[in-house]
Amino acid sequence: EVQLVESGGGLVQPGRSLRLSCTASGFTFGDYAMSWVRQAPGKGLEWVGFIRSKAYGGTTEYAASVKGRFTISRDDSKSIAYLQMNSLKTEDTAVYYCTRDWGSWGQGTLVTVSS
Amino acid sequence: DIVMTQTPLSLSVTPGQPASISCKSSQSLLHSDGKTYLYWYLQKPGQPPQLLIYEVSNRFSGVPDRFSGSGSGTDFTLKISRVEAEDVGVYYCMQSIQLPFTFGPGTKVDIK
Repeated sequence: EVQLVESGGGLVQPGRSLRLSCTASGFTFGDYAMSWVRQAPGKGLEWVGFIRSKAYGGTTEYAASVKGRFTISRDDSKSIAYLQMNSLKTEDTAVYYCTRDWGSWGQGTLVTVSS
Repeated sequence: DIVMTQTPLSLSVTPGQPASISCKSSQSLLHSDGKTYLYWYLQKPGQPPQLLIYEVSNRFSGVPDRFSGSGSGTDFTLKISRVEAEDVGVYYCMQSIQLPFTFGPGTKVDIK
């Protein structure tokens, strides 16, 4: 069974950094691209970015709203995808989900950016 | 960016009755590989989104057959043949043919 578990969320001040993790199990992690999607409180879904599998170069793509501030990486030996978030803004407050192939999603982790 | 629009934005349905949600994209979602990259999700209260339909009309594993998707190009429809109480939540369409991937605003479905 595919399982994705996000962790690392919490309360952080504007301008600071936070790193989220997405720990995967139940499949060969290295074979898949991994995406991050976020949802601000009471709002809709927003794609954040994704990382391709190593077979496709392990390259990344980002939404304009986070490009230059957020970095997605992966450790295939540990089956973990990371979302490094720098220079956080209040508008980054959201539940962050990781997803594999759009069909499997974690439960999400809440990031609150506030002073 | 491809803009996804949905109508209606809210829907109140009697159990056992059908329901339909429309999704339109600002550009064609038909890829040169022949696939159309349009997905439908249901997000139940307090839960992550769950995939219902991929590539316009393919039901994801475990999705009841009362859910069906149709459409082509820029116009798509999700139909529920007989709404059940467990179908309440927000329905989203999404495109993944072009970066950035984009979602529709969501259609909130509740039970009368």
